[in-house]
Amino acid sequence: RKEVEQDPGPFNVPEGATVAFNCTYSNSASQSFFWYRQDCRKEPKLLMSVYSSGNEDGRFTAQLNRASQYISLLIRDSKLSDSATYLCVVDLAGAAGNKLTFGGGTRVLVKP
Amino acid sequence: DTGVSQNPRHKITKRGQNVTFRCDPISEHNRLYWYRQTLGQGPEFLTYFQNEAQLEKSRLLSDRFSAERPKGSFSTLEIQRTEQGDSAMYLCASSLVGSPLHFGNGTRLTVT
Repeated sequence: RKEVEQDPGPFNVPEGATVAFNCTYSNSASQSFFWYRQDCRKEPKLLMSVYSSGNEDGRFTAQLNRASQYISLLIRDSKLSDSATYLCVVDLAGAAGNKLTFGGGTRVLVKP
Repeated sequence: DTGVSQNPRHKITKRGQNVTFRCDPISEHNRLYWYRQTLGQGPEFLTYFQNEAQLEKSRLLSDRFSAERPKGSFSTLEIQRTEQGDSAMYLCASSLVGSPLHFGNGTRLTVT
């Protein structure tokens, strides 16, 4: 089992619709969680951190489920510009400290 | 611009040659990470530093790869005797402990 896993997609989403996807992680001691967005052939850019109580930033909502060890990202009122790969990042606590590990990414395609 | 800087942006080399990449992190960040990314995959962890100490190196990394951060500021990643399978985007990121990663533009390596 991979340490951080995502459904690769693609998720084909009509413009204006809502889409949600998850990221599962293996280490129950993980403390830090982030969602990044990556456009083709560009570096990842931070979308939002994920807090224990869940958090929202405009049309984006992130949730953490510690019991089932996953985080989620929900995008409301999808825009064409939301088309991208969404990467989750989780710290994997180890003996030397917490290394930040990526999932494989979920590709989202928003269509008119 | 005080973001993360990587050089060179592109590198084309022949199989068997050595290459070295440089990363200048955000100055107040004590953590520095190296990742490798191939098309359609999420960034794969290579190694990371806290100040000048290398805390962890991926088991996937062969002995041909070495990274340094001699004064706790910039870092170099060297690949010896390059192979075609080393062709990838090499991403550097920096952060404070527990905080999100800030990425450079990456170095795209092509081994012919």
